[in-house]
Amino acid sequence: NAGVTQTPKFRVLKTGQSMTLLCAQDMNHEYMYWYRQDPGMGLRLIHYSVGEGTTAKGEVPDGYNVSRLKKQNFLLGLESAAPSQTSVYFCASSGSTDTQYFGPGTRLTVL
Amino acid sequence: SQELEQSPQSLIVQEGKNLTINCTSSKTLYGLYWYKQKYGEGLIFLMMLQKGGEEKSHEKITAKLDEKKQQSSLHITASQPSHAGIYLCGADAGGSTLGRLYFGRGTQLTVWP
Repeated sequence: NAGVTQTPKFRVLKTGQSMTLLCAQDMNHEYMYWYRQDPGMGLRLIHYSVGEGTTAKGEVPDGYNVSRLKKQNFLLGLESAAPSQTSVYFCASSGSTDTQYFGPGTRLTVL
Repeated sequence: SQELEQSPQSLIVQEGKNLTINCTSSKTLYGLYWYKQKYGEGLIFLMMLQKGGEEKSHEKITAKLDEKKQQSSLHITASQPSHAGIYLCGADAGGSTLGRLYFGRGTQLTVWP
């Protein structure tokens, strides 16, 4: 089992560009989450999903969109990247309301 | 909004020493999770505590949750360089946000030989 994987691992964008981060899990988990981690801020929840076809806003959703078309995948989109979105993005999944398992992260820089 | 205070912010210890990291919430928690993160990597799940007064151990790491379910501690006995990293506590407040975690800012642990 690969667990939770994220692509890409690194990305540099210019302000205004768009991109999609992909998260995949092979544990048949219902719940999936997107977090961002910034120095001195800990992890903050962006969006989450409690099942295929459902998404909900977390603590810091502005500037991001998500989709969960397949149970195993959770996509995070940035339509018009801003320097404030420079961060490390983590995806996580869980069977239900229990332990979340994290991916290795995507390091995004917006110039 | 929920807040989770983690202390200390950083810790430098000599190999073989014991250490404790604390995590405090202003509200009663449904569950408390401890994770470890190495620089540039994802979070590795360590332990989950749910019952007041609960204590769990794995190898040289022990985590406790107080009776009020508002404070947790992570204790490492006889620290080793392999224990170095960032330790994060994550809390599930339950209720309408059941399953969603909010995290402390982390404790950076350095263990020198």
